[in-house]
Amino acid sequence: DAGVTQSPTHLIKTRGQQVTLRCSPKSGHDTVSWYQQALGQGPQFIFQYYEEEERQRGNFPDRFSGHQFPNYSSELNVNALLLGDSALYLCASMRGIPLGRAMADTQYFGPGTRLTVL
Amino acid sequence: EDQVTQSPEALRLQEGESSSLNCSYTVSGLRGLFWYRQDPGKGPEFLFTLYSAGEEKEKERLKATLTKKESFLHITAPKPEDSATYLCAVHMSSNYKLTFGKGTLLTVNP
Repeated sequence: DAGVTQSPTHLIKTRGQQVTLRCSPKSGHDTVSWYQQALGQGPQFIFQYYEEEERQRGNFPDRFSGHQFPNYSSELNVNALLLGDSALYLCASMRGIPLGRAMADTQYFGPGTRLTVL
Repeated sequence: EDQVTQSPEALRLQEGESSSLNCSYTVSGLRGLFWYRQDPGKGPEFLFTLYSAGEEKEKERLKATLTKKESFLHITAPKPEDSATYLCAVHMSSNYKLTFGKGTLLTVNP
């Protein structure tokens, strides 16, 4: 059973450029979340996609955008890159559950994409 | 604002020296508390999910417990391969995201 996969593994860009990161969810999962992890910090929530719609967004600027495809895979796009965007970008997948359900399902993470902005 | 605090920030143990990591949270409507292990440069690896106070889960040398305001990750007779950053995250009832602590960097010396 394939887990969450992400590509590319590493990426080097310069300030002002644009980048696209890709994620394929674990088999049977239909919900994808993206997180940014700076060095020495815990992951920070960027947004979550379910049924090809962004259903929640964290405290990130509009330069960060995403998309989910009918096969549940997802892309994260970052425009006008800043030095501060250098981080490990993590994708997590889970089964979609209603907000009213008492117990949360587990989010499984991919290996991440290391983005370096010069 | 919802907050997750992990302590200590770093912990150095000798092989076989048992200890505990703490995760305290100030959120309302907890839907789940999650523990992950993260090796350098890699994605977090799922360890445990806890849903209600009093719940305990075990896996090899690790045991996670949950109270109304905090969780503990107990490590019994650790080995060098247990060295990693351990992350705690909470999922609230009012949204879809995980809120993480900064993690505890555990180093186990042989």
